[in-house]
Amino acid sequence: SYVLTQPPSVSVAPGQTAIITCGGDNIGSKSVCWYQQRPGQAPVLVVYADSDRPSGIPDRFSGSSSGSAATLTIRRVEAGDEAAYYCQVWESSSDVVFGGGTKLTV
Amino acid sequence: QLQLQESGPGLVKPSETLSLTCTVSGGSVSSGFYYWGWIRQPPGKGLEWIGNIYYSGTTFYNPSLKSRVTISVDTSKNQFSLKLNSVTAADTAVYYCARRRIQLLSPFDYWGQGTLVTVSS
Repeated sequence: SYVLTQPPSVSVAPGQTAIITCGGDNIGSKSVCWYQQRPGQAPVLVVYADSDRPSGIPDRFSGSSSGSAATLTIRRVEAGDEAAYYCQVWESSSDVVFGGGTKLTV
Repeated sequence: QLQLQESGPGLVKPSETLSLTCTVSGGSVSSGFYYWGWIRQPPGKGLEWIGNIYYSGTTFYNPSLKSRVTISVDTSKNQFSLKLNSVTAADTAVYYCARRRIQLLSPFDYWGQGTLVTVSS
């Protein structure tokens, strides 16, 4: 089965840029989405189709994907961005795979 | 505004069947534009997809859980349900229901708040 690898944790100072990676075999050929999960809350979609943002998500959040890694970039990081972030792809047209998650500490 | 609400027992005994229901409001499970899914998260761990269902009853399951999972839909009640049999402590998790569009590779765009199910005697 397809495996997505994320670093367990990333730490960044307020106002700086956070970069969270998601590694997978030829992930650049897949469609990647990212979810933010604050403690005690349900996940929220922040990026889909590699780099698109749902309405209401600040443009500080951006995504990209190429080769064997996808990236979620959060610019001008705020305290409220502190959360776990999960990448997700489809192994087939219907089977969903999540990464292990990255805890962002601000 | 679409809302999804999980409900069911918070405690299940080992070897028994876990049963949860997701009630949809502000939208219809009969809509042909969406799949309805279940995702779970063991305490302190990551997300695991369980499966999806279409209003017609077509289902897609995680291969690792397929032998124990049944997802069904009740359009008259605007609900869909999850049954997981032969549970063990490893099935202890927060269970979320969620929606995704039928377009290929669309993400889960609406989630319920989740419900914790503990497997213990």
